[in-house]
Amino acid sequence: DGGITQSPKYLFRKEGQNVTLSCEQNLNHDAMYWYRQDPGQGLRLIYYSQIVNDFQKGDIAEGYSVSREKKESFPLTVTSAQKNPTAFYLCASQSVGTAQETQYFGPGTRLLVL
Amino acid sequence: AQKITQTQPGMFVQEKEAVTLDCTYDTSDQSYGLFWYKQPSSGEMIFLIYQGSYDEQNATEGRYSLNFQKARKSANLVISASQLGDSAMYFCAMRERPASGGSYIPTFGRGTSLIVHP
Repeated sequence: DGGITQSPKYLFRKEGQNVTLSCEQNLNHDAMYWYRQDPGQGLRLIYYSQIVNDFQKGDIAEGYSVSREKKESFPLTVTSAQKNPTAFYLCASQSVGTAQETQYFGPGTRLLVL
Repeated sequence: AQKITQTQPGMFVQEKEAVTLDCTYDTSDQSYGLFWYKQPSSGEMIFLIYQGSYDEQNATEGRYSLNFQKARKSANLVISASQLGDSAMYFCAMRERPASGGSYIPTFGRGTSLIVHP
């Protein structure tokens, strides 16, 4: 089945710890995105990548890092610099092209700070 | 300033009734796309409907239709014959090309919580 997978579903982070969220897609999409969702604030863009080995900061990139070594994979690392990481994280992908291209989302990862 | 505004934090509708969820947007681009997504309690974002800025007709997908009023910059979602399974968060999103060029970047509204009661 084609789609986007995210793992783990739940992730716990201790103070000062870096954690990495996985995002994999087999849709052959060029672009991939990471969003953060907090209650009442909708989705905010963290990072996005339109091509392998290239990525751009979104609106709230501080405290996060990404890599895009393969077309299928776009992992997000939440670093210790991110002081308030508790949130729901969504990964998405789409074909690069016109505005009509739909974003497809993964099931999300809930990150909690212990 | 917000690019996507959803003024209704929560909406209630009776089963089998129609409901309209409001969305207004702000852009100076001529070419942009408007989307609606549904997010049930599981968290997954489900694509519902798309409207292009050059589309002359309102988009429809089954029970979903998009009331697109370009001059007013509004893109309201209409759900006809509501079902209990429609209870969820609904997000309006706009995709526009950045001034520097490149791919279309999406912006999401804060969402509207819809509760369908029997």
